[in-house]
Amino acid sequence: SQQGEEDPQALSIQEGENATMNCSYKTSINNLQWYRQNSGRGLVHLILIRSNEREKHSGRLRVTLDTSKKSSSLLITASRAADTASYFCATNTGNQFYFGTGTSLTVIP
Amino acid sequence: DVKVTQSSRYLVKRTGEKVFLECVQDMDHENMFWYRQDPGLGLRLIYFSYDVKMKEKGDIPEGYSVSREKKERFSLILESASTNQTSMYLCASSSPGRPGYTFGSGTRLTVV
Repeated sequence: SQQGEEDPQALSIQEGENATMNCSYKTSINNLQWYRQNSGRGLVHLILIRSNEREKHSGRLRVTLDTSKKSSSLLITASRAADTASYFCATNTGNQFYFGTGTSLTVIP
Repeated sequence: DVKVTQSSRYLVKRTGEKVFLECVQDMDHENMFWYRQDPGLGLRLIYFSYDVKMKEKGDIPEGYSVSREKKERFSLILESASTNQTSMYLCASSSPGRPGYTFGSGTRLTVV
């Protein structure tokens, strides 16, 4: 399976702290994306990083990609209670995406 | 606001019933996908379609079929529902050259 794998599976932090979650994958990719899923809802696209990029920013989100290690990280700075959700990485090897099992983030007010 | 609409948020069906899950997108996207999501297993691809009347098997197609008669609509069919098909079903669409999938809100199906 080309499925990515997020680490940790669960993360609990205080509001205002930074949250870091990691994604490892197995095969060469075109790009990697991060999604957020609020409880019981669909996934929402957050950010895309291409295979030739090393770092990308979007608001409070920072994504890094290390293709030599086949890994990516998502950093959420100055977390808020509304950031409580599950976060998934998805690797793209063509027209399909392969999703990981997700990191469940809880931000405590 | 562009979106993907799944016809039901919650559905309860009996074992052996034929079940239809409908998905409609208003973004003129070429690609549409059906996933199921189970705890600890993440999202697994059931079927996908890159064009009208075209379908391809994903990773777990057994027990499912799909129909794409119109570009905007992609239906998932459980021919004879079984309890192991109790899951959250997510529909998504995308367009070549544009980043990301747009997901529907999901259908939580319970087969009893």
